[in-house]
Amino acid sequence: DAGVTQSPTHLIKTRGQQVTLRCSPKSGHDTVSWYQQALGQGPQFIFQYYEEEERQRGNFPDRFSGHQFPNYSSELNVNALLLGDSALYLCASSPPRGLRGPDTQYFGPGTRLTVL
Amino acid sequence: QQQVKQSPQSLIVQKGGISIINCAYENTAFDYFPWYQQFPGKGPALLIAIRPDVSEKKEGRFTISFNKSAKQFSLHIMDSQPGDSATYFCAAPEPNNDMRFGAGTRLTVKP
Repeated sequence: DAGVTQSPTHLIKTRGQQVTLRCSPKSGHDTVSWYQQALGQGPQFIFQYYEEEERQRGNFPDRFSGHQFPNYSSELNVNALLLGDSALYLCASSPPRGLRGPDTQYFGPGTRLTVL
Repeated sequence: QQQVKQSPQSLIVQKGGISIINCAYENTAFDYFPWYQQFPGKGPALLIAIRPDVSEKKEGRFTISFNKSAKQFSLHIMDSQPGDSATYFCAAPEPNNDMRFGAGTRLTVKP
């Protein structure tokens, strides 16, 4: 089991550009959550996808959008990039809700986004 | 809003010593309190967790102490080792199972 995988590992963009980050959940998981982790900070919840729909959203602007595919993989899109969007973007997956216990969020290694 | 407050920001401990990291929470609806360990270049990994119906949980060298009345919980690392050097996050889940994280504590264990 490869666990949660994310691509790319690193990404450099310039202000105003758009970026797409990808996540493949752990085998058997159907829910994907995205987090932004600024340098020296804890992860901040962006949104969660389940059954191909956005179910919950944190305090992030509409420039942040996502998608979940039928195979449960997910994309995070950020438009009109700002310098402040530079961060580690983490994906976490969870198993089906009926099987969910307390320790069920598994994080990927993240994508390091640098906006110049 | 910061619903989980963590201290200290950084901690230096000698090998074999005890590392103590503290967290305070505001939302009494939280019913599960995990600690995550994060190494550079990696995502957070669950280390140990506790529910508020117990006051302490121990797993190997790692212990969580929980004080429900004070709305505080802490991580104790006994016999700290250089390999424990990492950033530690306390967290608490919202009802939709998404985590509210503390700001993190960077632990350095000196040999």
